[in-house]
Amino acid sequence: DIQMTQSPSSLSASVGDRVTITCQASQDISNYLNWYQQKPGKAPKLLIYDASHLETGVPSRFSGSGFGRDFTFTISSLQPEDIATYYCQQYDNLPPLFTFGPGTKVDIK
Amino acid sequence: QVQLVESGGGVVQPGKSLRLSCAASGFTFSSFGMHWVRQAPGKGLEWVAVISYDGTDKYYADSVRGRFTISRDSSKNTLYLQINSLRAEDTAVYYCARWMPLGQFDPWGQGTLVTVSS
Repeated sequence: DIQMTQSPSSLSASVGDRVTITCQASQDISNYLNWYQQKPGKAPKLLIYDASHLETGVPSRFSGSGFGRDFTFTISSLQPEDIATYYCQQYDNLPPLFTFGPGTKVDIK
Repeated sequence: QVQLVESGGGVVQPGKSLRLSCAASGFTFSSFGMHWVRQAPGKGLEWVAVISYDGTDKYYADSVRGRFTISRDSSKNTLYLQINSLRAEDTAVYYCARWMPLGQFDPWGQGTLVTVSS
């Protein structure tokens, strides 16, 4: 099974800072990688799909990149409403199997 | 708008069974596969199971295979998760989510809490 790691596990940054989270797969997953935001007490929300495509309605300060095993999620200018835990998620097609990364908790300094 | 609403959670004794439901609206339910994902208190997301759009194909995480059964009733626009032989480690919020073509989970329901305790 494919394993996902994320780093850091948590971070604290100031409003306006650039925030970067990395996600690594245990093997090549092409661009089959999605990113989610989960605010406390809420359900997760899709932000980025296919590694780099911004979901409709998601602010442009969020972006994703990467291919193969290594992926990056970036918030270009951290806002107070971005306080949340962010998860990467990979999927296999044959058979369909899905794995989430352990998450990165983002706080305001 | 697309909406998913879970129900059926509660406090259950170890060894008992429970069936969760997820009512879908705002989209053609019979055209999409559907997932269950769970989140133990204070922990991360764990994918549990997925069912194809027509119910013919079902896949499970290793941790639940044999005790959990995913099913759907497209006449009622409802997804189900049957959980048998409940264990303390099954305590979690259970979410349903739509299976999108590029492997995304979108949207998610609000979740239903299952607590396994004697």
